[in-house]
Amino acid sequence: AQSVTQLDSQVPVFEEAPVELRCNYSSSVSVYLFWYVQYPNQGLQLLLKYLSGSTLVESINGFEAEFNKSQTSFHLRKPSVHISDTAEYFCAVCESRGAKTSYDKVIFGPGTSLSVIP
Amino acid sequence: EAGVTQSPTHLIKTRGQQVTLRCSPISGHTSVYWYQQALGLGLQFLLWYDEGEERNRGNFPPRFSGRQFPNYSSELNVNALELEDSALYLCASSRQGLVSYEQYFGPGTRLTVT
Repeated sequence: AQSVTQLDSQVPVFEEAPVELRCNYSSSVSVYLFWYVQYPNQGLQLLLKYLSGSTLVESINGFEAEFNKSQTSFHLRKPSVHISDTAEYFCAVCESRGAKTSYDKVIFGPGTSLSVIP
Repeated sequence: EAGVTQSPTHLIKTRGQQVTLRCSPISGHTSVYWYQQALGLGLQFLLWYDEGEERNRGNFPPRFSGRQFPNYSSELNVNALELEDSALYLCASSRQGLVSYEQYFGPGTRLTVT
């Protein structure tokens, strides 16, 4: 069965420093991978996703994640964080079933709380 | 374009009571998903509705139920509330419920059971 591990429950980082939020998954088949962000008192927002193609995916606000099949990882990185990046970040995975893959199959990790320190 | 809306924002109920949560999807989206986000447990998939039909449910007891209306809005009902039902309940909508389309989340309903 597939599962998702986010090794760090909390990550404090100083403003303008780089950050990496780790995500590992277990699955015996091809997967789709997602990162979501949840700002305080809000719902989740999709940050980026990997379905196919280039293993490096980028978001519009400077985050990027790289799918590493051999290490079964999908770590999220940003070279310079801002105060506004303070939020909960969730990695998620689902087995790929082509065009018919539905969101009910997506498994979420426990989340990593990113705190950006001024 | 209006986003996914949920009501109420907060709710306090007593153990044993029943509660109804509501969700309005983005215009044009036919699929509605419900999730439970309990403290420290991440998101757990509850229910998926598409075109008025229940397509799948997660590993939750039958006292969690819901429906989807012809205008694609949805209700989540929880009967015989238990203390561990205290959580943030999130609704999300997408086109056809497929990962090839974007999924949008509402702000959630915070349920507290005392």
